[in-house]
Amino acid sequence: AQRVTQPEKLLSVFKGAPVELKCNYSYSGSPELFWYVQYSRQRLQLLLRHISRESIKGFTADLNKGETSFHLKKPFAQEEDSAMYYCALTMDNAGNMLTFGGGTRLMVKP
Amino acid sequence: NAGVTQTPKFRVLKTGQSMTLLCAQDMNHEYMYWYRQDPGMGLRLIHYSVGEGTTAKGEVPDGYNVSRLKKQNFLLGLESAAPSQTSVYFCASSWQTVRSYEQYFGPGTRLTVT
Repeated sequence: AQRVTQPEKLLSVFKGAPVELKCNYSYSGSPELFWYVQYSRQRLQLLLRHISRESIKGFTADLNKGETSFHLKKPFAQEEDSAMYYCALTMDNAGNMLTFGGGTRLMVKP
Repeated sequence: NAGVTQTPKFRVLKTGQSMTLLCAQDMNHEYMYWYRQDPGMGLRLIHYSVGEGTTAKGEVPDGYNVSRLKKQNFLLGLESAAPSQTSVYFCASSWQTVRSYEQYFGPGTRLTVT
């Protein structure tokens, strides 16, 4: 069965420091990977997807199939980045259904 | 457009009571989903629907039923609530079949079962 693991429940950094939120997955097929974010009092929303190879709000994520990882990175954290971040995948035979990791709460201190 | 809306926002039930959560979307999406969010466990799929009149089980379907009588609505029912169903429930919707399509989430319903 597929699984998404986010090993850190909480990550606390100072403003301006680099950030890396870890995501590892186990799935034998060809997954598609996503990062979703939930800011305080807001809805869960898509941050980025690996097939787009995009940078959103300064965040990037590279799919490493060899290490089965999809870590989210930002070189300089901002206070407004504080939020709950979820890594998720869809399988290649399951339509658009998402399997989520447990989430990492990022706190950026001033 | 309102996007995805959920009714109610909060609810407290006693063990054994029943209730229905309503999800509505105005984006003409084919797919709709119900998730529950529990601390440390992320979101887990309860049931989903790939179109009007169809439903299917997700990862944690026990104790829940769903119906999709209209394309824009997806109802989640708890027939006999249990304390283990205390959670935050999220509804989401997306375009059909293509895997990379974004899911749009509702604001959530916080349910407490005492």
